[in-house]
Amino acid sequence: EVQLVESGGALVQPGGSLRLSCAASGFTFSSYEINWIRQAPGKGLEWVSYISSSGSAAYYGDSVKGRFTISRDNAKSSLYLQMNSLRVEDTAVYYCARAQITSGLVAHWGRGTLVTVSS
Amino acid sequence: EIVLTQSPGTLSLSPGERAILSCRASQSVRSNYLAWYQQKPGQAPRLLIYGASIRATGIPDRFSGSGSGTHFTLTISRLEPEDFAVFYCQQYGYTPPFSFGQGTKLEIK
Repeated sequence: EVQLVESGGALVQPGGSLRLSCAASGFTFSSYEINWIRQAPGKGLEWVSYISSSGSAAYYGDSVKGRFTISRDNAKSSLYLQMNSLRVEDTAVYYCARAQITSGLVAHWGRGTLVTVSS
Repeated sequence: EIVLTQSPGTLSLSPGERAILSCRASQSVRSNYLAWYQQKPGQAPRLLIYGASIRATGIPDRFSGSGSGTHFTLTISRLEPEDFAVFYCQQYGYTPPFSFGQGTKLEIK
């Protein structure tokens, strides 16, 4: 069974940093592209970042470009999101989302981890 | 970036009725790379439809998708109580960004 378990969410002050992790199991992690997708409280879904299966390619949404960095450790079946210069508007549940068929189609989601940016 | 606009914002229907949800794109969606997701409160989204009309694994046949180019539709033929949720369309493919619509809330009338 495919499992994605996010962790690392917390309350952080504006301007602070946080590192999210996603532990994967139940599939060959190194074969799959992964996305981070977030959802602000009571709002819709927003694509945040993508990383290729090897980690050689990464993309970011305009709202996080230059502040967030996605990475992965295929030996540990783990995905990361380093979040710097956090803003109040980054407050959201962050989902780890495994791609299928194409880079952006998500068939498997984690349960999410909550990041709250507030003073 | 392709902007997706969903309508209506909220749809109030009764169990047994048919639901029709719309998703319009600001430009043509390449290769019909259009997906629909269902999200219930406190849960992660679930993939319903991809390729505009292909049901994902385990999705009941009362859910169907149609459309091409810039206009897509999700139809639920006979609403079951468990179908009431928020639905999102998404354009995907091989090159980010992978944008979502703002969502349609399907509520019990």
